[in-house]
Amino acid sequence: NAGVTQTPKFQVLKTGQSMTLQCAQDMNHNSMYWYRQDPGMGLRLIYYSASEGTTDKGEVPNGYNVSRLNKREFSLRLESAAPSQTSVYFCASSGLAGGGELFFGEGSRLTVL
Amino acid sequence: GDSVTQMEGPVTLSEEAFLTINCTYTATGYPSLFWYVQYPGEGLQLLLKATKADDKGSNKGFEATYRKETTSFHLEKGSVQVSDSAVYFCALSGGDYKLSFGAGTTVTVRA
Repeated sequence: NAGVTQTPKFQVLKTGQSMTLQCAQDMNHNSMYWYRQDPGMGLRLIYYSASEGTTDKGEVPNGYNVSRLNKREFSLRLESAAPSQTSVYFCASSGLAGGGELFFGEGSRLTVL
Repeated sequence: GDSVTQMEGPVTLSEEAFLTINCTYTATGYPSLFWYVQYPGEGLQLLLKATKADDKGSNKGFEATYRKETTSFHLEKGSVQVSDSAVYFCALSGGDYKLSFGAGTTVTVRA
């Protein structure tokens, strides 16, 4: 039972470099999310996709882009990484409209130097 | 907008102690409320939830009651174990595909 799988688990970038975080879920969920977790700030929503073919901004979308490639996959791209984007990134999915229970991946720890 | 405020940590307890983590919320309408737990090095997982006023969610000895009159959803456990050491997040869903999370409370249980 894979659930939600994120890659890579760790990445170190230099300021200005680009990278893409990959996420895939095998639960046939409609909704997918990208959150970032920072100390003392909990989880903040970057982007979400309520269903295949749609994406919407969350609380902190600046500096990020997303692609809902198909129902299974939802990627997060940093076009020009900044030190402020050093964080742990979590992908999640949900099978219920209106939020419901989210299933999370194990996280991707990104450091931008 | 919707928001969640939970007590700041860290919280350090001895085994078999009573644990309470306070959570209050601000929301329009009638949100669903959740507690998630994050064990070291892992992603978040749902601990319990309640979808309407006066509902009590429970799991693994943890309980929380949805109190609409006080806009609260406090998490309690009567006797904690070392294995309960984790970060606990309160969250709400206002029905718009998104969850809003509190800042998280780190709990450490000592043997």
